[in-house]
Amino acid sequence: DIQMTQSPTSLSASIGDRVTITCRASEAIRTYLNWYQQKSGKPPNLLIYAASTLQSGVPSRFSGSGSGAEFTLTISSLQPEDFATYFCQQSYKTMSFGPGTRVDI
Amino acid sequence: QVKLMQSGAEVKEPGASVKVSCKLSGHSFTDNYFHWVRQAPGQGLEWMGVVTPIGGFGTYAHSFQGRVTMTTDTSTSTVYLGLSGLTSDDTGIYYCARVVADGGPYHMDVWGEGTTVTVSS
Repeated sequence: DIQMTQSPTSLSASIGDRVTITCRASEAIRTYLNWYQQKSGKPPNLLIYAASTLQSGVPSRFSGSGSGAEFTLTISSLQPEDFATYFCQQSYKTMSFGPGTRVDI
Repeated sequence: QVKLMQSGAEVKEPGASVKVSCKLSGHSFTDNYFHWVRQAPGQGLEWMGVVTPIGGFGTYAHSFQGRVTMTTDTSTSTVYLGLSGLTSDDTGIYYCARVVADGGPYHMDVWGEGTTVTVSS
């Protein structure tokens, strides 16, 4: 099974900050990497798929990059509604999620 | 608008089984794969498995094999998750999610609201 890790586990940031979250896979997964945002009490919401493709309706301040085994999610200017937990997910071999990164104030 | 409507909360005793349903609307049932994801209280997301709409062929995560069954009913556009031998570790929210069967790269773009399963004596 492919194991996913994320760093940091949590981070504190301010409105307007640039935030970067890293996701690593235990083996190369090409660009079969998705990012989700989850707010308390809600299901996850797809932000980015195929490592860098922005899901329809997602603000352009979110971006993704990477290939192989290392990926990043960047929020260019943090907004109040962005405080949430972010998960990466690989879809190269079945599926598995990273442990999540909590972004708070 | 594509929606996944899940069944209501369940409370089960240890050793029992549970069956959760997830009904698709707004899209052709047979054009999707359906995944189940579990989230224990305060924890992350755990992929449980995937089922095909026609034939109901399931691929399950190793940690659930032997206890999980995923089935489909094309006549009602509904997928089902069955889990047996429940323990307190199975307490959590169970989400269904769809992946469009277009050859990939696969991603879960529509999620149900989740079904809370509580296992307690």
